[in-house]
Amino acid sequence: EAQVTQNPRYLITVTGKKLTVTCSQNMNHEYMSWYRQDPGLGLRQIYYSMNVEVTDKGDVPEGYKVSRKEKRNFPLILESPSPNQTSLYFCASSYGVNTEAFFGQGTRLTVV
Amino acid sequence: DQQVKQNSPSLSVQEGRISILNCDYTNSMFDYFLWYKKYPAEGPTFLISISSIKDKNEDGRFTVFLNKSAKHLSLHIVPSQPGDSAVYFCAASVGNTPLVFGKGTRLSVIA
Repeated sequence: EAQVTQNPRYLITVTGKKLTVTCSQNMNHEYMSWYRQDPGLGLRQIYYSMNVEVTDKGDVPEGYKVSRKEKRNFPLILESPSPNQTSLYFCASSYGVNTEAFFGQGTRLTVV
Repeated sequence: DQQVKQNSPSLSVQEGRISILNCDYTNSMFDYFLWYKKYPAEGPTFLISISSIKDKNEDGRFTVFLNKSAKHLSLHIVPSQPGDSAVYFCAASVGNTPLVFGKGTRLSVIA
């Protein structure tokens, strides 16, 4: 089954404790991205990657890092999480930058 | 500076009637538009798309209309069903740039 898998689905952490949200896709897609969804703000792109070892900032990259060492995985790293990073995060993948994107189930992160 | 705007945060429609969700954009270079649907506790799923060379695209109960001169697109759902209740996101792109999403419209279809 074609899918994008994110883990964990839910996470509560404390300010400053490094965390990683994993994302994996099994569709051999070149393009992957991370979004955060906040009430009243919709989906905002954090980072994206057009291929292995190629990553770029989206609209709200501050406080986040990503890596793309292999095609299927695109982890999101919060080196020092802060409460304003409490949000619902989605990973997505697609064949191209502007083609139909497949989204993961989401990760609800709470930073206290 | 919001390039894709969904000005109605919410919409309520009776079952069986038409739902019309609207989306306006400011960048006249956008050449591809998509609609996504999102249920609670799930990721958005692709619904329908339209290229700027067309003004209409239909898929079953879903039709997207594009008015380039007005920089406006709309999604029509006919007939609306309770299972259509979800948040709908409009997205647009140009060339090899990432999709730009609107803030979403919450549709409630009342039985």
